[in-house]
Amino acid sequence: QKEVEQNSGPLSVPEGAIASLNCTYSDRGSQSFFWYRQYSGKSPELIMSIYSNGDKEDGRFTAQLNKASQYVSLLIRDSQPSDSATYLCAVNENYQLIWGAGTKLIIKP
Amino acid sequence: DTGVSQNPRHKITKRGQNVTFRCDPISEHNRLYWYRQTLGQGPEFLTYFQNEAQLEKSRLLSDRFSAERPKGSFSTLEIQRTEQGDSAMYLCASSLSGGQPNSPLHFGNGTRLTVT
Repeated sequence: QKEVEQNSGPLSVPEGAIASLNCTYSDRGSQSFFWYRQYSGKSPELIMSIYSNGDKEDGRFTAQLNKASQYVSLLIRDSQPSDSATYLCAVNENYQLIWGAGTKLIIKP
Repeated sequence: DTGVSQNPRHKITKRGQNVTFRCDPISEHNRLYWYRQTLGQGPEFLTYFQNEAQLEKSRLLSDRFSAERPKGSFSTLEIQRTEQGDSAMYLCASSLSGGQPNSPLHFGNGTRLTVT
């Protein structure tokens, strides 16, 4: 059974600080990794995709991938209250995604 | 960018009734997915189409669930003889196939089903 694991949280971070979200996966053959943000009652929204080892930056967001250790992380710099949401990690498995249960992030003003 | 469109947004039905949901994917996307999500969980895969062909259906899905994508554009998901356990958010997503790595999924706003 291929799995994606995330700490369910909640993770509480002060406004302006860096939020660090982590995800581990079981399938060494996975090649595509995605972070989605989901507000309560809404559908998931793509934040970042990453395919190669290392860091990928997009504005305040940085995704980090380490295939040898089978983890992918998401850093959010200068956290804002509007970043409060559940962050879902998803890993490609052929034609579909394997999802983590999500980490609830709370940014405290 | 019209995005992925789902209708209805909300559906309340009585146990035993049939319901049908519609999804219109992003026009150039040839892959279409249906997921189900309950509170505190990630999306659960239901089924997947590439163009009009239904290529995979979750083994967890009972025979009460059926999906179609007759012309490779919009898709419908039908649940027959609904049960209270079917209450969930039903999400549709689309993507563009081709090569590796796979392109990300783009989700619609979902249809929230409540079975009373």
